[in-house]
Amino acid sequence: DTGVSQDPRHKITKRGQNVTFRCDPISEHNRLYWYRQTLGQGPEFLTYFQNEAQLEKSRLLSDRFSAERPKGSFSTLEIQRTEQGDSAMYLCASSSPNEQYFGPGTRLTVT
Amino acid sequence: AQSVTQLGSHVSVSEGALVLLRCNYSSSVPPYLFWYVQYPNQGLQLLLKYTSAATLVKGINGFEAEFKKSETSFHLTKPSAHMSDAAEYFCAVSPKDDKIIFGKGTRLHILP
Repeated sequence: DTGVSQDPRHKITKRGQNVTFRCDPISEHNRLYWYRQTLGQGPEFLTYFQNEAQLEKSRLLSDRFSAERPKGSFSTLEIQRTEQGDSAMYLCASSSPNEQYFGPGTRLTVT
Repeated sequence: AQSVTQLGSHVSVSEGALVLLRCNYSSSVPPYLFWYVQYPNQGLQLLLKYTSAATLVKGINGFEAEFKKSETSFHLTKPSAHMSDAAEYFCAVSPKDDKIIFGKGTRLHILP
């Protein structure tokens, strides 16, 4: 399977802990996007990369959030000092011209 | 700024009946428009997309959508609903090759 993969699929953490998610895009795709989807809502854009460069960040991405794509391949999204409001599905997508391919998501539950 | 509005957070149709999910968009530039489907505990799957070619777009699983610039609409239809169509459907808009702005979604229920 050469689709977008995300790890872990599920993460339960206690408030105040740090968590890190990983996304492996389709290998030939230069662009990589992160979205967040809360219950009952559509996905919301967080940030995206063109190769290793982070080109745009949403205002939703507070200082506790950081994303990297160090070699222009996989990406990580870290949330520091998690809060209950961070509970959501975190979706990654990689992009060919005109289409984004989504991974299965990482569901984060903050207790 | 770009946005989409999906009319109806829940839609119920009988199996075999017409499916119509409504979406209106707002865009200051010619948009790309999408419909995605999400099954429980799964990621998003692209149903179809409009990229300024034909206004009637055919997608997977028998779905199609028509781009109507005068009405700023991109409604999703399927002639005959199947039980397997029960899912969450998202309309979305994007400038060319950029981040996607999603609607809030419409949950489609299929009645036996």
